[in-house]
Amino acid sequence: QSALTQPPSASGSPGQSVTISCTGTSSDVGRYDSVSWYQHHPGKAPKLIIYDVSKRPSGVPDRFAGSKSGNTASLTVSGLQTEDEAHYYCTSYAGSDKLGVFGGGTKLTVL
Amino acid sequence: QITLKESGPTLVKPTETLTLTCTVSGFSLNTREEGVGWIRQPPGKALEWLALIFWDGDTRHSPSLKSRLSVTRDTSKNQVVLKMTNVDPADTATYYCAHMRWLRYSYDYWGQGTLVTVSS
Repeated sequence: QSALTQPPSASGSPGQSVTISCTGTSSDVGRYDSVSWYQHHPGKAPKLIIYDVSKRPSGVPDRFAGSKSGNTASLTVSGLQTEDEAHYYCTSYAGSDKLGVFGGGTKLTVL
Repeated sequence: QITLKESGPTLVKPTETLTLTCTVSGFSLNTREEGVGWIRQPPGKALEWLALIFWDGDTRHSPSLKSRLSVTRDTSKNQVVLKMTNVDPADTATYYCAHMRWLRYSYDYWGQGTLVTVSS
């Protein structure tokens, strides 16, 4: 079982916005500003879309936005496009002896 | 341009040792604050972090798999090697290696992945 909890699914229509949550604890999400989000299309390599809670790597559209409140991080995808349909995973730093915990993933469906 | 590529067997028998190689380019395995991680995805399941090797050779492993995993590197060949002993059909997965930026605690470049099936 993942230490970070994500809803298994989310959906929205083209042009709409959708928010995916990632709930951890005061030992990971709540303690460190080191939350990352990955987009994963089937058959392709995962892609980093958010790091340090809210920063976007070069080339990632600003339709993708990250935030955090308490022990919960969130990924908001605005202006949904069909190509946004994918699985999304969060991770958070949780100390040097608890590296690499991924959330269980959320399948985003663009209706 | 950072690239990573996984290589290794596509089929492994139960109880055997799986050896996967990640060949990297565009960065040095000695670059400070960077590392290479291994992540897998069993069919229909979520991503699972396996291991990480830092720029100084230090390693970390998934607690649940620690006794079965080892990760090493050959800086002269720009390769990182993951070994998993005593494999089981539950280890069937697509295995990825990825470049990590430690200060950002994120994997910013990924290999294409390699599907490994464990079956007799």
